[in-house]
Amino acid sequence: RKEVEQDPGPFNVPEGATVAFNCTYSNSASQSFFWYRQDCRKEPKLLMSVYSSGNEDGRFTAQLNRASQYISLLIRDSKLSDSATYLCVVSPNTGNQFYFGTGTSLTVIP
Amino acid sequence: GAVVSQHPSWVICKSGTSVKIECRSLDFQATTMFWYRQFPKQSLMLMATSNEGSKATYEQGVEKDKFLINHASLTLSTLTVTSAHPEDSSFYICSASQFSGNTIYFGEGSWLTVV
Repeated sequence: RKEVEQDPGPFNVPEGATVAFNCTYSNSASQSFFWYRQDCRKEPKLLMSVYSSGNEDGRFTAQLNRASQYISLLIRDSKLSDSATYLCVVSPNTGNQFYFGTGTSLTVIP
Repeated sequence: GAVVSQHPSWVICKSGTSVKIECRSLDFQATTMFWYRQFPKQSLMLMATSNEGSKATYEQGVEKDKFLINHASLTLSTLTVTSAHPEDSSFYICSASQFSGNTIYFGEGSWLTVV
């Protein structure tokens, strides 16, 4: 079983729509969770960390469900500029192991 | 915030030659750096974990003699693609982990084309 599994999509949504991505992880001891955004032909950039209590940054909301071992990313009022690949990253400890999902492709359509 | 710089951004080399890519953490010390490869429209693939002062840990299927990694200091790791072939053409990205922050930051990536 993969450490991190993510629906690759693609997700094609109209502008203004709300879209959600999930990412499941296999190691229950995982401690750190992140969402990264990767634009075409660019490096991934940190979008937001995911905290146990959930966190929100503008139109983006990230949540962690430890019982079911998944993290989610919700994007409200989608913009054309949100089109990208979204990667979830999970770390099992405070050391230096990181596991990546395969990324979910989002295209926001005018 | 933390910055990781990668050089060169683009490189074209002849088949059979070697290419070195540098990854530097600019404002923090990185005991660990990671090297990835990404083919077009595919996900990031971790190649190896580079540990300062010790040998790199390679993922299964990655040839350590072909992809030489040197992490000589806390701010610099290098990836050398030896005897490059056209199938090595790819986007190579490094990332670095802040020792205490546990957030990883990515370099800008290096596009390698082997002709």
